[in-house]
Amino acid sequence: EVQLVESGGVLVQPGGSLRLSCAASGFTFSTSSMNWVRQAPGKGLEWVSYISSSSTTTYYADSVKGRFTISRDNAKNSLYLQMNSLSDEDTAVYYCARETYYYDTRGGWYFDLWGRGTLVIVSS
Amino acid sequence: SSELTQDPAVSVALGQTVRITCQGDSLRSYYASWYQQKPGQAPVLVIHGKNDRPSGIPDRFSGSSSGNTASLTITGAQAEDEADYYCNCRDSSGNRVFGGGTKLTVL
Repeated sequence: EVQLVESGGVLVQPGGSLRLSCAASGFTFSTSSMNWVRQAPGKGLEWVSYISSSSTTTYYADSVKGRFTISRDNAKNSLYLQMNSLSDEDTAVYYCARETYYYDTRGGWYFDLWGRGTLVIVSS
Repeated sequence: SSELTQDPAVSVALGQTVRITCQGDSLRSYYASWYQQKPGQAPVLVIHGKNDRPSGIPDRFSGSSSGNTASLTITGAQAEDEADYYCNCRDSSGNRVFGGGTKLTVL
């Protein structure tokens, strides 16, 4: 079955650290670009970070730059998000999402596979 | 990073047509993608590229783009289409930006 399964979400204190994982199965993970997307309670979707298939390129939202690090292990079909210096504004459901690129007259990038998400609560 | 602007809420009568729009400078250069999210569920891709639907998405969903505006149209809205809809587009810095979302109510 083609799927993504996130794990690692817990209650953590402000200033703390956490590592999220995303296990991929049913498709060729090593050739797929991946992203983390989050959603705070009652709020909209917020893109967090991107990593290319070979880890050569990464991007981060300004809100997490310098605090979060995206990585992957293609041998383990796994995606990670290391989160440091957490604040209550980081409280959210974190989704991993596979990205596909499309081009005809212009480029298009889209998230065609999503996990169910893992909840991170930052609170004292 | 670029911003994408969506109307917070839109309503449509059952069986009628509704258009949900997304505005932003990056849409002049790149295609938008559209996602449907129902309460307690992960987002689902409904439209990408020029006007492509993933397998399993009903053909009442369509997409279009003009200038700095991308649109998602639902022709003959059904009760099960009531959901939040988000657009997404890459900006020139490589960031993938979401619009603020549109809550669709089917009356």
